[in-house]
This record gives sequence, C-alpha cells and structure tokens, in this order.
Amino acid sequence: DAGVIQSPRHEVTEMGQEVTLRCKPISGHDYLFWYRQTMMRGLELLIYFNNNVPIDDSGMPEDRFSAKMPNASFSTLKIQPSEPRDSAVYFCASSSQGIGSNEQFFGPGTRLTVL
Amino acid sequence: QKEVEQDPGPLSVPEGAIVSLNCTYSNSAFQYFMWYRQYSRKGPELLMYTYSSGNKEDGRFTAQVDKSSKYISLFIRDSQPSDSATYLCAMSNFGNEKLTFGTGTRLTIIP
Repeated sequence: DAGVIQSPRHEVTEMGQEVTLRCKPISGHDYLFWYRQTMMRGLELLIYFNNNVPIDDSGMPEDRFSAKMPNASFSTLKIQPSEPRDSAVYFCASSSQGIGSNEQFFGPGTRLTVL
Repeated sequence: QKEVEQDPGPLSVPEGAIVSLNCTYSNSAFQYFMWYRQYSRKGPELLMYTYSSGNKEDGRFTAQVDKSSKYISLFIRDSQPSDSATYLCAMSNFGNEKLTFGTGTRLTIIP
C-alpha cells in the first residue's frame, strides 16, 4: 500500500483565496483525521471521520474551515477565505479500529503558506 | 492547562548518550500511550505503543508509563545521529480513536 496520500505537498496562496487540501487514506481504514501543525501550537486535531461520517469537528477553528469525505477513499479540507494565520502544515491520517492499537498513519503533509 | 504537557526543547546530546523524553497528562481516563517520531518535513510515525502502565522495550528504545503519577517517558540508549527528530507523545481513552498529542520535543544527536 502507498500509505496516506496528500496533495498538494506545497501550496502558496494569497489572503482571501480558497484553498482545498486533499487526502486519500489507506485502503480499508475506517477513520480519517485532519490535523494542523505549527511551531506555536503543535499538532492540533481539526476534525475526524468514521466511515465517512464526521464524528468530532470541535477542533475546526472557524466557519472558514470545512471538511468533507464523500467516500471511503477521499477527503478534502477547504479554507475559504484563507488568512495568513492559516499558514501551517496540514496532515491527514487514517486508522483502522480493527488494529486495536489506535495507531494512526500520517500522510506527508501539505505545507500551506498564505501571503 | 493542556491535557498533555511536553517540554518542546530543543534538546541536544552527544552521540552515544542516553536520552530521556517525558510527558505529563491530566486525564486519568487515558489508557493508550504512544510515542511518535517525526523527521523534518515528514509526517509523524509510530515509534512505541503501550497499553496502561508498565515498561516496553524495543531495541534501543524503552517506553515507561506511570499512571499513578500521570507521567510517561521514552528512553533512547546509545543514541545515534539518525535519532535526530521531533518526538511527540500521544494518548487516548479506551475505545476512542481520537489521540491527544503533546507539542513534541525536538532532539538533536551530535556526532
């Protein structure tokens, strides 16, 4: 398996623009997580899905952020409009309840810079 | 106060030294304890996993959990330059897939 796939790997955009980050989880995994990582705040959970259904979105900072999971193999995180303070590395991770260890497998991340 | 506290470092030690990394937590319901390693510009990868209290050893790495003190540790023996990375502790409740992470400790092993 190729692991968790994220695209794009880097994104530079201007304030006010819409940004869409994409994630393909590991096949067979039923949980998908979106995180944001910054030097100041570390790794923060934004939202997670179970079987394509959002379970906990309490970490989503504002209404400007939205996430969808239309099927088991694809998820998006959208920021509209983007602001400079959204600059961070965004990680997608997936896991399987069947593993029993709560291990999450992380993608390589998308480095977002909002100018 | 955060649920999980971790000294961000940075921590620099000479090659061959023993490294001790620590986290404290406040949620007594945490049952699963993990250490993730994150190399620069990469995603975190699971390094060690422990359920409840006790020790677990894997090669040069030892994870310890003291639930009475709400304190977990990761020891690295005979540290190598390839161990240079950020180490994040993570925890979860029984039956909950959601992990709570520490902020991570940046470790550098000096050759």
